[in-house]
Amino acid sequence: DGGITQSPKYLFRKEGQNVTLSCEQNLNHDAMYWYRQDPGQGLRLIYYSQIVNDFQKGDIAEGYSVSREKKESFPLTVTSAQKNPTAFYLCASSIAGRDTGELFFGEGSRLTVL
Amino acid sequence: GNSVTQMEGPVTLSEEAFLTINCTYTATGYPSLFWYVQYPGEGLQLLLKATKADDKGSNKGFEATYRKETTSFHLEKGSVQVSDSAVYFCALSRISSGSARQLTFGSGTQLTVLP
Repeated sequence: DGGITQSPKYLFRKEGQNVTLSCEQNLNHDAMYWYRQDPGQGLRLIYYSQIVNDFQKGDIAEGYSVSREKKESFPLTVTSAQKNPTAFYLCASSIAGRDTGELFFGEGSRLTVL
Repeated sequence: GNSVTQMEGPVTLSEEAFLTINCTYTATGYPSLFWYVQYPGEGLQLLLKATKADDKGSNKGFEATYRKETTSFHLEKGSVQVSDSAVYFCALSRISSGSARQLTFGSGTQLTVLP
């Protein structure tokens, strides 16, 4: 089945450690996105990528980094510089060439900093 | 700037009750408007959309009408089911073409439907 796979589903990290969240899609979509979801705050855009080897900062990029070496993959690294990393992270994709505003989401990764 | 305001939850209804979830927005220009739904343990999925004033989006018995005069996009369903229990997000696109990279989301409304 086509879709977006995020891993791990749950992750615990000690303060000061970097952690990388995986996002893989087999929908052949050009564009991919990372969102952060906090209780009562909706979704906020961290980074997005329209094509391979290119990505742009979203509204809350500080303390995060991404790469887009393959069309299928868009990993997110939460660095030690992120002040409040405990959150639910959602990866999404869309058809860049026919951008209708529809996003396809993965099931999310919940990161807890101990 | 652009923003989306949704009614605060949680909302609890009995099966077959009428549902309204209010959504109002602030935006420049003519945004496209969306409702996304997040079922327990899943990511979000698009429920319906409207791209211009007076358009009505509909899907799975849900409806929402783009009201420019009141800057609203309220979600309605005539008879809810237990399976409709989820979190509902209203969203707008910052440009009229509805670009996914320009979406602004509301804070979400938790709906629980009791049998």
